[in-house]
Amino acid sequence: AQSVTQPDIHITVSEGASLELRCNYSYGATPYLFWYVQSPGQGLQLLLKYFSGDTLVQGIKGFEAEFKRSQSSFNLRKPSVHWSDAAEYFCALNTDKLIFGTGTRLQVFP
Amino acid sequence: DAGVIQSPRHEVTEMGQEVTLRCKPISGHDYLFWYRQTMMRGLELLIYFNNNVPIDDSGMPEDRFSAKMPNASFSTLKIQPSEPRDSAVYFCASRPSGAGRGHEQYFGPGTRLTVT
Repeated sequence: AQSVTQPDIHITVSEGASLELRCNYSYGATPYLFWYVQSPGQGLQLLLKYFSGDTLVQGIKGFEAEFKRSQSSFNLRKPSVHWSDAAEYFCALNTDKLIFGTGTRLQVFP
Repeated sequence: DAGVIQSPRHEVTEMGQEVTLRCKPISGHDYLFWYRQTMMRGLELLIYFNNNVPIDDSGMPEDRFSAKMPNASFSTLKIQPSEPRDSAVYFCASRPSGAGRGHEQYFGPGTRLTVT
């Protein structure tokens, strides 16, 4: 079955701390993976994507993600979080259509 | 480029009324998607079109929902009659056909629907 799991519903970090958001997928072929961010009241914006090549991909706003086939994971990271990063983050797997995880809400304390 | 345009941004209606949501995809994009987002069910794909033809409508919840794409620059999602459980944010997204599954979808700002 094709699925995406984001185990953490809600994460709270202090500004300046590092961040890792987890994403696991289930798919029988080469995965096409995306991370989107949704700020309150806004649509979804693409942070980064992976479909081949280097397993460490760089995105916008200082985010990066590492694809690990052996672990079926595509975790999102940022070395130092800013207050403006508070949002909801969605991992997605593209088959013929996007399959989204349930999202992780990030809260940032000053 | 103006991005994906959705209207209205907010809609409040009474149960039983017809609701029509509108979407203008990015020019040149061959694929158009309609999603619904709720707290309980997250982001759900309702239907998607390729070259104005519906490809997969398995996510449409019931016959009260219908979607059309009369041309490459316009799509509608209609709910008739509307019910309170239809209250959600409805997103439209589009993407070009080039690069296949490796190409991201571009999302509109959404329409927040409230059915009282």
